[in-house]
Amino acid sequence: GQQLNQSPQSMFIQEGEDVSMNCTSSSIFNTWLWYKQDPGEGPVLLIALYKAGELTSNGRLTAQFGITRKDSFLNISASIPSDVGIYFCAVRTGANNLFFGTGTRLTVIP
Amino acid sequence: NAGVTQTPKFRILKIGQSMTLQCTQDMNHNYMYWYRQDPGMGLKLIYYSVGAGITDKGEVPNGYNVSRSTTEDFPLRLELAAPSQTSVYFCASTLTSGDYNEQFFGPGTRLTVL
Repeated sequence: GQQLNQSPQSMFIQEGEDVSMNCTSSSIFNTWLWYKQDPGEGPVLLIALYKAGELTSNGRLTAQFGITRKDSFLNISASIPSDVGIYFCAVRTGANNLFFGTGTRLTVIP
Repeated sequence: NAGVTQTPKFRILKIGQSMTLQCTQDMNHNYMYWYRQDPGMGLKLIYYSVGAGITDKGEVPNGYNVSRSTTEDFPLRLELAAPSQTSVYFCASTLTSGDYNEQFFGPGTRLTVL
């Protein structure tokens, strides 16, 4: 079946450090999304990517849609305590459905 | 706008009991979704609806039922609760518009089946 592999599974970083995480698939997808889930909340969309090779920024966040359409990465620059949470990649499947990765849990140490 | 609201926030069920998880959105979105999130895992799609009167199965529909009689509401029914249904349930909605696909999520319902 489908799988989105996210790495790393978890990260512990110092405040101010940059963060990089990625998401890979064995299948091709034409829309890649990155969501963040704060503790006890539902996921919130951070960045959406629609074109292979596309690089998109949202404040301190930068995401890229891999040229093969089988991967994506998310970078966070100069991390701050409120970056804590779980980051999920997701891909769009039929009928506007989303398939989610297993998540990267980020802890920022002040 | 309240966005997507879910009730209850928490619930403990005994094996074999039934319950309905409520979901309402006030954004006039046509698409609505139910996901479950097991500990340490991503979200898995249970059921979805593309409009009132239309529902379809997602990745993990067994043990659940849904209905969509209005645009606003999309309840999820568990008929015979089992321990394997212990999870956090999220409802989401989206207004389809070309490529843009932001799904707005509710705060979740944490369900424990003992």
